[in-house]
Amino acid sequence: AQKITQTQPGMFVQEKEAVTLDCTYDTSDQSYGLFWYKQPSSGEMIFLIYQGSYDEQNATEGRYSLNFQKARKSANLVISASQLGDSAMYFCAMRVTGTASKLTFGTGTRLQVML
Amino acid sequence: GAVVSQHPSRVICKSGTSVKIECRSLDFQATTMFWYRQFPKQSLMLMATSNEGSKATYEQGVEKDKFLINHASLTLSTLTVTSAHPEDSSFYICSARRGLLQETQYFGPGTRLLVL
Repeated sequence: AQKITQTQPGMFVQEKEAVTLDCTYDTSDQSYGLFWYKQPSSGEMIFLIYQGSYDEQNATEGRYSLNFQKARKSANLVISASQLGDSAMYFCAMRVTGTASKLTFGTGTRLQVML
Repeated sequence: GAVVSQHPSRVICKSGTSVKIECRSLDFQATTMFWYRQFPKQSLMLMATSNEGSKATYEQGVEKDKFLINHASLTLSTLTVTSAHPEDSSFYICSARRGLLQETQYFGPGTRLLVL
């Protein structure tokens, strides 16, 4: 069975600073995908970034980058130059192989960006 | 990114009534859609996987007779909460996968259901 662990229930960061949100995963599969989603207070889930298990380069999307350490089974999200609008819940998720791409989510990290 | 809509965004109903929630992929065809449920301050829990033209696959513990899912076209899936009770009050979110080879799921804005 797949499992996603986010150990930081809440994080604070100063505006314009970088922040790392932790995510570790557990799976016996060799082929898997890792995702990060942002959920503002409005409730919508916004896709941020994707990393495939066979991707050799760390994924980057604008201010978001994924620090993928396969041997440690970690997929931390790095947000550079934090903005007030980054305040939200952030969920790490893993695609379950062989089952129509079902996602397993972590418990989330609430990020608060401060002035 | 792809756009997924949900309707209604919030609904209040009396106990015992049925509520239908629609999930539409607006700019792509979705062979597979997913329905999630989220309780306050908790993570998303997958309820079922909806495949166009076939029966939905429900997760363990989810009552298929209570949560009816219909995926009648490549752009529309519906979730009907039948005989709703207060414990069904929750935030329901759908997502859609664009094509068989696409990894990313795009989520709708969610529907807040309150059963009185």
